[in-house]
This record gives sequence, structure tokens and C-alpha cells, in this order.
Amino acid sequence: GQQLNQSPQSMFIQEGEDVSMNCTSSSIFNTWLWYKQDPGEGPVLLIALYKAGELTSNGRLTAQFGITRKDSFLNISASIPSDVGIYFCAGPALSGTYKYIFGTGTRLKVLA
Amino acid sequence: DTEVTQTPKHLVMGMTNKKSLKCEQHMGHRAMYWYKQKAKKPPELMFVYSYEKLSINESVPSRFSPECPNSSLLNLHLHALQPEDSALYLCASSLGQNQPQHFGDGTRLSIL
Repeated sequence: GQQLNQSPQSMFIQEGEDVSMNCTSSSIFNTWLWYKQDPGEGPVLLIALYKAGELTSNGRLTAQFGITRKDSFLNISASIPSDVGIYFCAGPALSGTYKYIFGTGTRLKVLA
Repeated sequence: DTEVTQTPKHLVMGMTNKKSLKCEQHMGHRAMYWYKQKAKKPPELMFVYSYEKLSINESVPSRFSPECPNSSLLNLHLHALQPEDSALYLCASSLGQNQPQHFGDGTRLSIL
């Protein structure tokens, strides 16, 4: 079945550093979503991508839809302590579907 | 604040109890979802309702029974649950197919 692998699994960074993470699939996706989940809360949508090559920003966050359509990247610039959490990528299992597959997650910890 | 509201936030129940989880959204979304999430894992899809009709059942045991009384409400009826059913249960909604899903903060369920 389809799987989304996220890398790295977890990371510690210093406050103020830039962060990069990625999400890869064995099959093509036509939509990529990036979510952040804080402890005890539901995932919050950060960025949605719909077109290969698309680059979209949301404040300090920038996400890209890979040209091959099998990967996506999320960058966080100048990290702050509240960036701590788990970041999930997600994509539709099939075109014209309600079913989304979630990546394995990247756990981010920021050292002040 | 999330626009998808889930109640209760926490629920502890015995294996013989019957309880219900509730979810409400007023964004005019026509698709609603139930997910189960274990600690440090991505959300796993359980059910999808589209236009108030059950669209997807991911082979969920019958001790979980979903209900969609109207386009704004989604319930999950629980009966005779097992300890391994302890998890965070997330509700989400979306405008339609291939549209980003918006999550509530979940119900933390503990089975004694």
C-alpha cells in the first residue's frame, strides 16, 4: 500500500536555527498537506500544495511540492520554542478520494 | 481555537460501558471523518461520511458505531471497548474530496 516516510524522525535544534524536513512516497501524489500537532491537541493545517514545483509560504514556514510529485519539503526559518511539536505530511490515497495518508511524522524539539 | 469542536475532551470508561463521542462543525463542510491516534503515531482513518452518508469504513470493529445526524454533527458510539482501544480520537471535516481536512482537538479515551 501507499506509505509516506518522513525524515528525520526527530531533531533537536537551537533556537534561531533553520529547520528542514521532508516527506517521500513510493507513488505520485497530486496534493500535499503539512500539519503540526502539539501535545494534547489535534493536527493543525500549516500549508497545502496542489501543483508540482509549487513553493508556498506561511510566515516562517515554506513548503515545496517536489517536481517528481513523490516528495515534499518543509522548511522553518529562525525557529522559536513554540515550533516544538510533531509535523506530519499527508496526501490523498487516490485521486478523487476522501482518504488521506499521513506520514510517519517528524518530532521537533527546540533548545532555547 | 479549532473550528471543529469535540466533546468530551477526556473520557474514562469500563469495558462494559456505552458512551458516545461528539463532533460539530459549522464551516459548511460536507465530509466528516473519525480518526484514531496512538501516542507518537500518525492518525489512522476509521470512518468517512460524505453528504451524511457513510462513504468509507476502514474495517473498524463493530464496537465502534458512527452516526451522522446532519451535515454539522458526527457521533461515534462506543460499546464493549477493549483496553487497546485507548487512544486519542480525532474528528475532522473537509469541503469535499481532495480538500484539506481540519481537525478538532480530539477526545482522549481511556478504557479500564
